[in-house]
Amino acid sequence: EVQLVESGGGLVQPGGSLRLSCAASGFTFSSYWMHWVRQAPGKGLVWVSRINSDGSSTSYADSVKGRFTISRDNAKNTLYLQMNSLRAEDTAVYYCARDLWAYGDLDYWGQGTLVTVSS
Amino acid sequence: EIVLTQSPGTLSLSPGERATLSCRASQSVSSSYLAWYQQKPGQAPRLLIYGASSRATGIPDRFSGSGSGTDFTLTISRLEPEDFAVYYCQQYGSSGYTFGQGTKLEIK
Repeated sequence: EVQLVESGGGLVQPGGSLRLSCAASGFTFSSYWMHWVRQAPGKGLVWVSRINSDGSSTSYADSVKGRFTISRDNAKNTLYLQMNSLRAEDTAVYYCARDLWAYGDLDYWGQGTLVTVSS
Repeated sequence: EIVLTQSPGTLSLSPGERATLSCRASQSVSSSYLAWYQQKPGQAPRLLIYGASSRATGIPDRFSGSGSGTDFTLTISRLEPEDFAVYYCQQYGSSGYTFGQGTKLEIK
């Protein structure tokens, strides 16, 4: 059974940092592109970042470029999102998701982890 | 960046009725890279349709997708009680990935 389990969310002050993790199981993690998608409370889905299967290529939304870094450890079956210089508008539930074909079709999602940026 | 505009914002229908949800792109989108998701309160999104018209694994055949270029449609042929949720379209293009703002399908 495919499982994605996020962790690392919490309350952080503006300007602070946080690292999210997504532990994958039930599939060959190293074969799939992976994404982070966020959802502010009561709002819609917003794509954040993507990494290819071996970690050599990454892509970011303009709103997080230069502040967030996506990475992966295929030996540990884990996806990461390092978030620096956090702002109030980064407050959201952050989901990791698997890309079915590397076409952007996200077929499995984690349950999400809440990040709250507030003083 | 390609902007996806979904309409209507809210759709009020009864179980058994047909639902038609629209997704319009600001520029042409390759059909290979257009997907639809369903999200229920407190849950993660679920992939329904990929490649504009292919149903994901385990998705009932009452869900269908169509369209090309800048206009795409998700149709639910006969609404079941569990279909009332928020639906998002999403595209992947040279400028990245974007989601529509969502259509809330509510019980009338």
